[in-house]
Amino acid sequence: RKEVEQDPGPFNVPEGATVAFNCTYSNSASQSFFWYRQDCRKEPKLLMSVYSSGNEDGRFTAQLNRASQYISLLIRDSKLSDSATYLCVVSYQAGTALIFGKGTTLSVSS
Amino acid sequence: SAVISQKPSRDICQRGTSLTIQCQVDSQVTMMFWYRQQPGQSLTLIATANQGSEATYESGFVIDKFPISRPNLTFSTLTVSNMSPEDSSIYLCSVKDGNEKLFFGSGTQLSVL
Repeated sequence: RKEVEQDPGPFNVPEGATVAFNCTYSNSASQSFFWYRQDCRKEPKLLMSVYSSGNEDGRFTAQLNRASQYISLLIRDSKLSDSATYLCVVSYQAGTALIFGKGTTLSVSS
Repeated sequence: SAVISQKPSRDICQRGTSLTIQCQVDSQVTMMFWYRQQPGQSLTLIATANQGSEATYESGFVIDKFPISRPNLTFSTLTVSNMSPEDSSIYLCSVKDGNEKLFFGSGTQLSVL
């Protein structure tokens, strides 16, 4: 079983749509969780951290379910500029390297 | 967030040669991480570079192929040795902040002919 699994997509949605991405992780001892965004031919950039209580940043909502070892990202009112690959990222232990999922590709069209 | 300068941004190399990638951070960091991203794939950790000690390599990566230097707390290099076309990839250096968030250099796109 892969350490961090994501549906690769692509998700093709119209502007204004709501879209959700899911991610599962295999190590129950994982401590930190993040969503990163990667544009084509660019380095990944932090989108948001994921907290146990769930957290929101504008149109983006992240949730964590430790019991099911599951993370989600919800994007509301999609914009053309949201088109990118979204990477689910997990850290097992403070100070160690992060583990990346393969990413979910989102394409928002007008 | 840390500012990371990575160079070269891209290179085209002949097989059998070696390329050294440099990464400079604007603040002192204990660990620097080197990742590889092959076409259509996600990031795979190559090694963790610690200042004052040998790098720690992940399974599938060896020091002879990917020697790393870490002479001080703001700088690291990764060398891709004896390159083959299978080494064509994006190589990324990164550092963590105190909240476990990872920040990347702009990457080195390597093509091996």
